[in-house]
Amino acid sequence: EIVMTQSPATLSVSPGERGTLSCRASQSVRSNLAWYQQKPGQPPRLLIFGASNRATGIPARFSGSGSGTEFTLTISSLQSEDFAVYFCQQYNNWPQTFGQGTRVEIK
Amino acid sequence: QVQLRESGPGLVEPSETLSLTCTVSGGSISTYYWSWIRQSPGKGLEWIGYIYNNGRENTKYNPSLESRVTISVDASKNQFYLKVRSVSAADTAVYFCGRDYPHSYGDYVGYWGQGTLVSVSS
Repeated sequence: EIVMTQSPATLSVSPGERGTLSCRASQSVRSNLAWYQQKPGQPPRLLIFGASNRATGIPARFSGSGSGTEFTLTISSLQSEDFAVYFCQQYNNWPQTFGQGTRVEIK
Repeated sequence: QVQLRESGPGLVEPSETLSLTCTVSGGSISTYYWSWIRQSPGKGLEWIGYIYNNGRENTKYNPSLESRVTISVDASKNQFYLKVRSVSAADTAVYFCGRDYPHSYGDYVGYWGQGTLVSVSS
């Protein structure tokens, strides 16, 4: 199965600053990549699919890029509600697999 | 707006069968892809499998769990189900049910239940 590796494990950012999260696939997943946000005690929330398409209702400050094996989620100006854990997920091969997550915390 | 809710025992004994129900409201279960995903500190998020009910049940399971897992659906009750047989402590996790994002054909989950913690212990 495809292994997804996220970095860094923890990202410390001040409110209003830009946050950049990385996700690497063990083999090409083309653009078949999604990003989720998860807050404590809640299920994940879909942010991005197709590597760069925002899901319905997701603010424009969230953007995704990349293809093949290297992907990036950028949060242009972090708001208080954005401090959470972020997961990438590939769906190019079955089974769909997730990264281990990046925690975005307040600096 | 579709809503999902997991239910079932929070404690299962080793070697027994874990059984969960996902109740769907706000939409029909007769289309879309309905998934079970679990999350544990050790293994992170793990896709268990999904079912697609278009009059004929189509299922797909994670190969790592396929020998022990069954997902089924009861359209008359708007519910779908998960059974995991011969459980061990490694099956302790929060179990989520979910529905795929529109037009994603089961690739990613747009609607999630709140999750239910299942512990495997004697």
